[in-house]
Amino acid sequence: DAKTTQPTSMDCAEGRAANLPCNHSTISGNEYVYWYRQIHSQGPQYIIHGLKNNETNEMASLIITEDRKSSTLILPHATLRDTAVYYCIVTGAQKLVFGQGTRLTINP
Amino acid sequence: GAVVSQHPSRVICKSGTSVKIECRSLDFQATTMFWYRQFPKQSLMLMATSNEGSKATYEQGVEKDKFLINHASLTLSTLTVTSAHPEDSSFYICSARDSDWKSYNEQFFGPGTRLTVL
Repeated sequence: DAKTTQPTSMDCAEGRAANLPCNHSTISGNEYVYWYRQIHSQGPQYIIHGLKNNETNEMASLIITEDRKSSTLILPHATLRDTAVYYCIVTGAQKLVFGQGTRLTINP
Repeated sequence: GAVVSQHPSRVICKSGTSVKIECRSLDFQATTMFWYRQFPKQSLMLMATSNEGSKATYEQGVEKDKFLINHASLTLSTLTVTSAHPEDSSFYICSARDSDWKSYNEQFFGPGTRLTVL
């Protein structure tokens, strides 16, 4: 699986868009980009995934660069409940390997 | 939506005893389930992949005789921590992959089980 690099922590004001970057410069052609988040003391929650096109669902948008070496998860209107650790995972296999993720804090 | 449950949510046991944790997919069938462990302030670490009807595949460094995994049905996998010691105290989380989804790898996670070994 390709290695990912994410900032350790980020802050965002409530109501603003939260943009979480992820670098995955060694991604290979058959690997997807997945985003999960983990709210304190809970199991991770699936957010979104993509291969090469930008994706949007009810939770977030995923922007993948044309060379696929990086991506950005966008939470369009962050709320206090979006405070969590966000994990960017790149894999073409069944299993998910979690890195350290980004601790996102939404401030009132 | 797809729901995964774990039981118990918390367990405290004495050193040397064995503890069984159950992971159930409530509204879908899961050929494959995964077991993770998470220590405080650390990320999730994959322990093993559990396949229905066959032996689990353990990650490097995980003792298969200590962490017994059974996946006897399409909706239930169990993790038994044998002869538990204080260093086994951790947050154990399972996930399940919907058997019907073949095109991508969305996994549904349980709420976790906090194990404390005294």
